[in-house]
This record gives sequence, C-alpha cells and structure tokens, in this order.
Amino acid sequence: AQSVTQLGSHVSVSEGALVLLRCNYSSSVPPYLFWYVQYPNQGLQLLLKYTSAATLVKGINGFEAEFKKSETSFHLTKPSAHMSDAAEYFCAVTLHSYDKVIFGPGTSLSVIP
Amino acid sequence: DSGVTQTPKHLITATGQRVTLRCSPRSGDLSVYWYQQSLDQGLQFLIQYYNGEERAKGNILERFSAQQFPDLHSELNLSSLELGDSALYFCASRNGQGWDYGYTFGSGTRLTVV
Repeated sequence: AQSVTQLGSHVSVSEGALVLLRCNYSSSVPPYLFWYVQYPNQGLQLLLKYTSAATLVKGINGFEAEFKKSETSFHLTKPSAHMSDAAEYFCAVTLHSYDKVIFGPGTSLSVIP
Repeated sequence: DSGVTQTPKHLITATGQRVTLRCSPRSGDLSVYWYQQSLDQGLQFLIQYYNGEERAKGNILERFSAQQFPDLHSELNLSSLELGDSALYFCASRNGQGWDYGYTFGSGTRLTVV
C-alpha cells in the first residue's frame, strides 16, 4: 500500500529564504504525487502535481517540486519565502489503479519577518 | 471559490445526535470524496462515490454513511456522535478518471460535538 511521510511537522524560515519541505513516498509502482496547501480555515488547494511527465514540476505561487525515483522523494521548494506562504502543506500520493489520494501528516510553514 | 460547496460551515451538536453534511461537487465532476481532518489523525479518507455509486471505502466508521444523489451532490451522515468525531470534514471532487487536475476541495464543515 502507498504511504507518504513528511519530515518535520513544523518548519520556520525567514522571509526571503529558501523554503524546503520534504516528502517521501512508499509505493510499489510509480505513483502520482501532489502538494496541497491549506490556509487557516480554508480547504486544501492544489499547488502542483507529478503525473509521470517532467520530473521537475512547477506549480502556483513560485513553488516547484522534483520527483526523484531513486530517493522516492518529492520535495517542495521555493527560492524566496513570502509572509503569505505561511500555511499547512500536505504531500499526497495515489496510484494509477487507485482512486483515493493518501495524504501525508502535513508540515506547518512559518515565515519570520 | 473552488466550485465545491459544503454546507453547513459550522455545526455544533450533542453526543448521541445525528447530523448530515452536504456537498455539491464542481460542475461536471462525477467523483466525490469525503475526508475527515483532525489534529491527531490528520487527513483521513472516508469514502468515495462515482456517478452515484460507492467506489472506495477508507477508515469510515459504521456509524457513518454517505450517498451520492442523481444530481451528483453527496451527503455524509454521522450518527450516535461521540466527542471524538469533532473534526473538519472535507468534500473533494474530481473530473472523470484522470489526475490532470487533482482534487478540488470544498472549504469544509467544522463539526463540534459537545
């Protein structure tokens, strides 16, 4: 069965610094991978997705993620953090033959002025 | 506005009671998924419907049930409520079988059981 781990339940960065949120997946076949963001009191919004095309995926708000099969990773990065990036970030996985998406535990990102 | 509508936004009820949460998917989306989000369990998949039929079940309690109607809206019924059922309940929808667009989530229903 597929699963997702996110290293670090809470990450703090300074405004303007690099954002790196880690995600590792476990899957017996190449999966589809997603990053979602959740702002306070809101639903989840899709940031980006990997669907077996380009391994470097660009998303909204300047975020990007790279699929590394050898490391079973899909880390999320942004070169320069903004205050508005403070939110909860979820990595998620699904398989071609399964419909449901499995979410990781989430990483709360704080941006320090 | 994501296009997925959930009502009510907030619900406070007593233990032992029954509530119904409603979800209207994005126009054209045939699949509806229900998730429960709590501090200790994270985002847990409950159940999925596709065009009116149950497609997959996750960690859904027997006290919970759901259905999807011909107009594609879905309802999640929670009965014999316990304090531990307090959580955010999200509905998400998806168009067809492909993953090009991922899920579209509603803004959730916050259930508080007192």
